[in-house]
Amino acid sequence: DTEVTQTPKHLVMGMTNKKSLKCEQHMGHRAMYWYKQKAKKPPELMFVYSYEKLSINESVPSRFSPECPNSSLLNLHLHALQPEDSALYLCASSQDEGVVGEAFFGQGTRLTVV
Amino acid sequence: AQSVTQLGSHVSVSEGALVLLRCNYSSSVPPYLFWYVQYPNQGLQLLLKYTTGATLVKGINGFEAEFKKSETSFHLTKPSAHMSDAAEYFCAVSDLLGQAGTALIFGKGTTLSVSS
Repeated sequence: DTEVTQTPKHLVMGMTNKKSLKCEQHMGHRAMYWYKQKAKKPPELMFVYSYEKLSINESVPSRFSPECPNSSLLNLHLHALQPEDSALYLCASSQDEGVVGEAFFGQGTRLTVV
Repeated sequence: AQSVTQLGSHVSVSEGALVLLRCNYSSSVPPYLFWYVQYPNQGLQLLLKYTTGATLVKGINGFEAEFKKSETSFHLTKPSAHMSDAAEYFCAVSDLLGQAGTALIFGKGTTLSVSS
């Protein structure tokens, strides 16, 4: 199984809503990532978890709250988002954070904030 | 910090023609370089990677790339384009982010169009 599964595939939420994005992998990978991708732009790193601990937060606003309940799951909790937060949110995992690691990406969650 | 620059935001080729997508890197240490492909409304798929060893790297779908240290380049090529190659292509480098760890940092991407 070399898949990273993200749910939901599409999400529309209001600016006062609270929602969560989920990501799951069963490859035994110990590093997991959240990226944000706007249309016609490259993915931008948001968070890195290594061995279930948050190791990198790329100055992401607090309305985005990551959580890693166990080594296979990664969540992104969303609250009080703005329309400009609408984007494709990609989850990825890699064997570890070593520089030789390649990342496996999920299909993404297309988020629209209204 | 390491970075990659993709030259040309849009490349158009005819079916059967050579595909050449350019990527240059900036790194103070030996880089680990990757090419990813993204089809519309999809995630990213790894085409190939360079870590150490052979500088000519072969990937999936007939793509290959050559690591040239003297030119700080890692250009992606395919001898004969197919309609199904039309997609967005990202060059990426594995960057050490202080003492916190590493992550992939992407170039701006190149859109490949293939005409019949």
